Amino acid sequence: GAGVSQSPRYKVAKRGQDVALRCDPISGHVSLFWYQQALGQGPEFLTYFQNEAQLDKSGLPSDRFFAERPEGSVSTLKIQRTQQEDSAVYLCASSFVRPTRDSNSPLHFGNGTRLTVT
Amino acid sequence: GENVEQHPSTLSVQEGDSAVIKCTYSDSASNYFPWYKQELGKGPQLIIDIRSNVGEKKDQRIAVTLNKTAKHFSLHITETQPEDSAVYFCAAKRSKLIFGTGTRLQVFP
Repeated sequence: GAGVSQSPRYKVAKRGQDVALRCDPISGHVSLFWYQQALGQGPEFLTYFQNEAQLDKSGLPSDRFFAERPEGSVSTLKIQRTQQEDSAVYLCASSFVRPTRDSNSPLHFGNGTRLTVT
Repeated sequence: GENVEQHPSTLSVQEGDSAVIKCTYSDSASNYFPWYKQELGKGPQLIIDIRSNVGEKKDQRIAVTLNKTAKHFSLHITETQPEDSAVYFCAAKRSKLIFGTGTRLQVFP
């Protein structure tokens, strides 16, 4: 079966360029998450969608980061005016049910997009 | 907010030996604790999870224990094999999943 698909796998951008990273979650998964993983670190939460609604964007590091999921399936993470500190692997994950305090559905991760800003 | 600490950062064992990775968390309201395995160039893959109303869970060679009072949980891998070599992450969840910093496990044949 198809898992979470992310594209592109690698992206090299010159400082100041805008980039767009795509995530195709598992079909039927309600929840979608974006994480940023710096080299040698654990994934850090960026933002969360339940269907098309962005319910938590507390992890976005600056207003240069923007995410959307207009039809409740595919999501795009956009980074404007990229900086060298944006270099990282960007991971997308999806889960079947919406996460509540009493409901925990496993997150299924894609293989990520490795962004290098030169 | 939640903070998750993970030890050790690297772990080398001989094939067939056991490996133990330990994590502590700060938010006593956290109620879900998954463990992920990440191989080079891939995303994290869930290997086992435990909920706060359970003290121990086992799945073949992998087991996880949870001590809610002390706010720590551990991953135990028995009879390690070279294919167990990877980076392992613990995580804790109250409202969102917070990851530890990872343990690089190397299993030597």
